Amino acid sequence: EIVLTQSPATLSLSPGERATLSCRASHSVSTYLAWYQQKPGQAPRLLIFDASHRAAGTPARFSGSGSGTDFTLTISSLEPEDFAVYYCQQRTNRPPLTFGGGTKLEFK
Amino acid sequence: QVQLLESGPGLVKPSETLSLTCSVSGASISHFYWGWIRQPAGKGLEWIGRIYAGGKTNYTPSLESRVILSEDTSKNQLSLRLTSVTAADTAIYYCARVFRDYFDIWGQGILVTISS
Repeated sequence: EIVLTQSPATLSLSPGERATLSCRASHSVSTYLAWYQQKPGQAPRLLIFDASHRAAGTPARFSGSGSGTDFTLTISSLEPEDFAVYYCQQRTNRPPLTFGGGTKLEFK
Repeated sequence: QVQLLESGPGLVKPSETLSLTCSVSGASISHFYWGWIRQPAGKGLEWIGRIYAGGKTNYTPSLESRVILSEDTSKNQLSLRLTSVTAADTAIYYCARVFRDYFDIWGQGILVTISS
């Protein structure tokens, strides 16, 4: 099973700042990695798939990068609605699919 | 647009079987893969399994001996059964549409508590 480790666990920033979230895989997942955003009381929302492709409706301020074992989600300039928990998820060619433990992006 | 809605009992007794239904509208379940994910309160996401291609399934190893996913194409519904539940199975359960083995459309989730 591939383990995804997200860091930091909590990131405290202010609107307008740049956010950089990390996801590290225990084994290479090529570019088969997605990012989700989850707000309190809501289901997760797919933001980025295959490491760098924005899902439909994802604002351009969200970008993903990386390959192999190291991945980054960048939010170029935080909007108030971006404060949430972010999860990464990998899909290799065999189950199980796994998620990272999450990064909480909070107001500073 | 595609919508998913989970339903089922919110409270299940330990050692009993948890049964949930996911009603899908706006798309035929025959045309897509579907997944189930759960999330204990305040914690992260756990993939339970997926169903596709007329009833083929894959499960996460830790639950494989206790879980069964199925589908009813006549009702356009998905189902999850989890046997011999314990308090550790208390979670919000989501069904979701699978897109390249990611999850692009989610239900609102249903909280299931395991307690006597």
